[in-house]
Amino acid sequence: GQNIDQPTEMTATEGAIVQINCTYQTSGFNGLFWYQQHAGEAPTFLSYNVLDGLEEKGRFSSFLSRSKGYSYLLLKELQMKDSASYLCAPWGSARQLTFGSGTQLTVLP
Amino acid sequence: NAGVMQNPRHLVRRRGQEARLRCSPMKGHSHVYWYRQLPEEGLKFMVYLQKENIIDESGMPKERFSAEFPKEGPSILRIQQVVRGDSAAYFCASQNDGGADTQYFGPGTRLTVL
Repeated sequence: GQNIDQPTEMTATEGAIVQINCTYQTSGFNGLFWYQQHAGEAPTFLSYNVLDGLEEKGRFSSFLSRSKGYSYLLLKELQMKDSASYLCAPWGSARQLTFGSGTQLTVLP
Repeated sequence: NAGVMQNPRHLVRRRGQEARLRCSPMKGHSHVYWYRQLPEEGLKFMVYLQKENIIDESGMPKERFSAEFPKEGPSILRIQQVVRGDSAAYFCASQNDGGADTQYFGPGTRLTVL
């Protein structure tokens, strides 16, 4: 089976940096996805990590440690529009994604 | 290049009626996944299909739910004799290759059962 753990809620200030952690246990491991989901909308793809290390993409970066079963999403220069739910989704032996409950990020002015 | 399309966006049904949800994958994508999101909960996998084949339906309830992805036309998720507990957002995602390719999500269908 799969077990995914990420904080339920986080709050940060506009312009700040926030790190959203995710730990996981999966049957097999092929990589890890991060998605962003605004309320009432579809999840949108942010990043995919296969190898250990940091992947940087503009204001968003994602880190993976396969041996520790750990990933984080780093958001820099926070903007109000970044208020959303952030979903950690490891990709295991099955084709489908298994999502955590998501971290609801609130960005305050 | 059109994204994943789903219709209807909102669907209201009375208990006992049938709900039919449609998903057209991105052009060139032949893999479709259906997920359900209950209010205040995470996305849960339901079924994975390729053209004319159900690959994995382990997340789909055995009764009342069925899915298909015909050779021509959209993928259909069908819920018979809906109950209040079926009220949720149903998302489909399409993928080019069944491997590590990103799954792209449609806008979802919000089903409300009265």
